[in-house]
Amino acid sequence: EAGVTQFPSHSVIEKGQTVTLRCDPISGHDNLYWYRRVMGKEIKFLLHFVKESKQDESGMPNNRFLAERTGGTYSTLKVQPAELEDSGVYFCASSQDQGPFYNEQFFGPGTRLTVL
Amino acid sequence: AQTVTQSQPEMSVQEAETVTLSCTYDTSESDYYLFWYKQPPSRQMILVIRQEAYKQQNATENRFSVNFQKAAKSFSLKISDSQLGDAAMYFCAAHLLQGAQKLVFGQGTRLTINP
Repeated sequence: EAGVTQFPSHSVIEKGQTVTLRCDPISGHDNLYWYRRVMGKEIKFLLHFVKESKQDESGMPNNRFLAERTGGTYSTLKVQPAELEDSGVYFCASSQDQGPFYNEQFFGPGTRLTVL
Repeated sequence: AQTVTQSQPEMSVQEAETVTLSCTYDTSESDYYLFWYKQPPSRQMILVIRQEAYKQQNATENRFSVNFQKAAKSFSLKISDSQLGDAAMYFCAAHLLQGAQKLVFGQGTRLTINP
């Protein structure tokens, strides 16, 4: 079974540009989460989807960030326009709603975003 | 505020020895979940061990065990018989709000295993 995948693995853009990150969760996982780790700091929650609905977006830093999960499968996180402080590693995770692995979040490898 | 704190940015241990990573947290909830995640260099974060707050028995997974002290809000990870493959960044994390599924993470501890 494939794990959580993220694309791209690295992205280097200039301030003011737009970047879109993609996450493909584990098949059948209704819950999808976005987190990010800014250099040297802790990993912080951004938002949580249940299927295609935003369950909790309390961690989204500002309106330059837009997350979507059309059809309840993969998700995208767009940053527009990107600022220097957006640099960091963006993680995606998914989890089931029930079953033996309920509550366990499976993480993707992350996308390292560098804004110059 | 719900917080998780790891006070050891780096730790090192000799191969085959035992090491304990510290984690404390703050919450007003009585029921919650605690986790230790491991992120090896250039690899995905994986779950090492989990503890449900209502369970008094400390969780154990092979060489990994926890010392869960609910009153002290402490959740340390003990790695026995350390192996080179244990070298990684270790994150303590928690679901601290009832019903919420977001994880609150500590700052991480980088563990080095010396051969």
